[in-house]
Amino acid sequence: QVQLVQSGAEVKKPGASVKVSCKASGYTFTAYNIHWVRQAPGQGLEWMGKISPSGGSTTYAQRFQGRVTMTRDTSTNTVYMELSSLRSEDTAVYYCARYPQFDYWGQGTLVTVSS
Amino acid sequence: EIVLTQSPGTLSLSPGETATLSCRASQRVTSTYLAWYQQKPGQAPRLLIYGASSRATGIPDNFSGSGSGTDFTLTISRLEPEDFAVYYCHQYDSSPITFGQGTRLEIK
Repeated sequence: QVQLVQSGAEVKKPGASVKVSCKASGYTFTAYNIHWVRQAPGQGLEWMGKISPSGGSTTYAQRFQGRVTMTRDTSTNTVYMELSSLRSEDTAVYYCARYPQFDYWGQGTLVTVSS
Repeated sequence: EIVLTQSPGTLSLSPGETATLSCRASQRVTSTYLAWYQQKPGQAPRLLIYGASSRATGIPDNFSGSGSGTDFTLTISRLEPEDFAVYYCHQYDSSPITFGQGTRLEIK
């Protein structure tokens, strides 16, 4: 069955970077783009960007341009999302989801930014 | 950017009743690229409806979606206790992909 399994919770200090992984299984990894969506505590869903596992091309939401990097490793069927220059407002649960309909989601990774 | 506005913000109903949730887009959205999700506390969103009106795998038939252009509706009939959650609409017609702010469906 299709699964997206994310890495565990992280606690980071302001200014640091975090790298979250999303390991796909149960389908052809290169056939579907993976998107990243975050959700701050008690808030709604915010799209961050996407990566094509087949060629590695990326598209980022404008507000994250320059701070986010999405990569993939086809040998392990894993995509990564790295967010740099963290601030307290980046405290959120980060999800990966499979495009097009976002039919499968990872379980979420809580990233806490605190001094 | 397409802004999706959901209404009402909170909907209080009793089990057995019918919920009608609205999603209005600031620009026309191709129906093919409009989806609805359910989210419960501590869980990832779950796809309910895609293509504005197609139920995702395993979604019961008391969930239905309709609409076109800028106005879309999610209807949940015969509410069950497990249906009380937050619901989001979502467009992936144009970049940036956007979500509505959510409608909280609570037990009256």
